[in-house]
Amino acid sequence: DGGITQSPKYLFRKEGQNVTLSCEQNLNHDAMYWYRQDPGQGLRLIYYSQIVNDFQKGDIAEGYSVSREKKESFPLTVTSAQKNPTAFYLCASSIAGTSGANVLTFGAGSRLTVL
Amino acid sequence: GQNIDQPTEMTATEGAIVQINCTYQTSGFNGLFWYQQHAGEAPTFLSYNVLDGLEEKGRFSSFLSRSKGYSYLLLKELQMKDSASYLCAVMDSNYQLIWGAGTKLIIKP
Repeated sequence: DGGITQSPKYLFRKEGQNVTLSCEQNLNHDAMYWYRQDPGQGLRLIYYSQIVNDFQKGDIAEGYSVSREKKESFPLTVTSAQKNPTAFYLCASSIAGTSGANVLTFGAGSRLTVL
Repeated sequence: GQNIDQPTEMTATEGAIVQINCTYQTSGFNGLFWYQQHAGEAPTFLSYNVLDGLEEKGRFSSFLSRSKGYSYLLLKELQMKDSASYLCAVMDSNYQLIWGAGTKLIIKP
């Protein structure tokens, strides 16, 4: 079955450490996204990519980095520069980035806790 | 600024009908989405509206009024498994999704 796989599901990090969250999709989607979800807030876009080797900053990119070396993969690194990294991180993909009926398929999420 | 408003929490009874409202103020409009998210899980797509009117899909229906900046999601014959958060999102003129904070729906027997 096609879908998006995120790993790890739960991750604990000490302050000052970088961590990388994995996101892999086998849907043959061109566009991929990283969102952050905090209680009481809407999803906030961190980074997105519409094509291999290209990505754009979202609304809250500071303290995060990404790469898109393969169509299937879009890993997110949470760096020590991110001041409040404890959150639920969601990866998503879609057929096209600039289309009205752009339905997102989400992964199951990664919950990061900073100790 | 851009804004999506939805109630934080609603409670309904199994077998009943519930309407979850969403109002929006965005820079342009290229469609409105509803997603369902069970606690700790991935959001899943429910509906997409770009023209005014009602879209029906089984027990779920979604309504849009662009002139009023308003949508609602109607859930009929509620089941316990419908207990979840319902996320409203609008695609603006730059094809960026603006998300509401979600409505947590609690179903009681």
